[in-house]
Amino acid sequence: AQTVTQSQPEMSVQEAETVTLSCTYDTSESNYYLFWYKQPPSRQMILVIRQEAYKQQNATENRFSVNFQKAAKSFSLKISDSQLGDTAMYFCAFMNLGDASGTYKYIFGTGTRLKVLA
Amino acid sequence: GAVVSQHPSWVICKSGTSVKIECRSLDFQATTMFWYRQFPKQSLMLMATSNEGSKATYEQGVEKDKFLINHASLTLSTLTVTSAHPEDSSFYICSASGPGGRGNEQFFGPGTRLTVL
Repeated sequence: AQTVTQSQPEMSVQEAETVTLSCTYDTSESNYYLFWYKQPPSRQMILVIRQEAYKQQNATENRFSVNFQKAAKSFSLKISDSQLGDTAMYFCAFMNLGDASGTYKYIFGTGTRLKVLA
Repeated sequence: GAVVSQHPSWVICKSGTSVKIECRSLDFQATTMFWYRQFPKQSLMLMATSNEGSKATYEQGVEKDKFLINHASLTLSTLTVTSAHPEDSSFYICSASGPGGRGNEQFFGPGTRLTVL
């Protein structure tokens, strides 16, 4: 069974600074996707970034980038130039593309609460 | 694109009554829908997965007779909490995936806050 671990329950960062959120996962599968989702106080889940396991290049989306280390099963999120609007809960998620049931469930981590300080 | 709506956004009901929550994919055909429950300051817990036209598959520990899921069309799934009790109070989130989305990525609804008095 796959597991996703987020070891930082809470973090804070000064506005305009850079912060890195960690995520590790455990799987024996080779074909999967990894995601970072943001959940602001509105509680709407917002996709921040996704990474296909077969791609060696780290995904980037504007101020958001990942450090994907497949061998180490690590998938950290770096937020550059942090903004007050980045304050939210961040969840790491794993999706196994080899799921025999074909339903492609997400396995979520426990989340990291990020607070950006003015 | 890939917008998912939920209705209602919040509901208060009396203990013993049933509550229905709707989840709609507005601009794509959702072959699979997922229902999650989220307690305050916790992660999302998958309750069940439903494929259009077939019975839902429930996760271990989720009472199928209490949480009835129907996925009658490619754009609509419903979750009915039957004989609700205060311990059913929670935030319920649906998500949808299917052709027209990106691969098998899930798109999330805004959630429904249920309070049972």
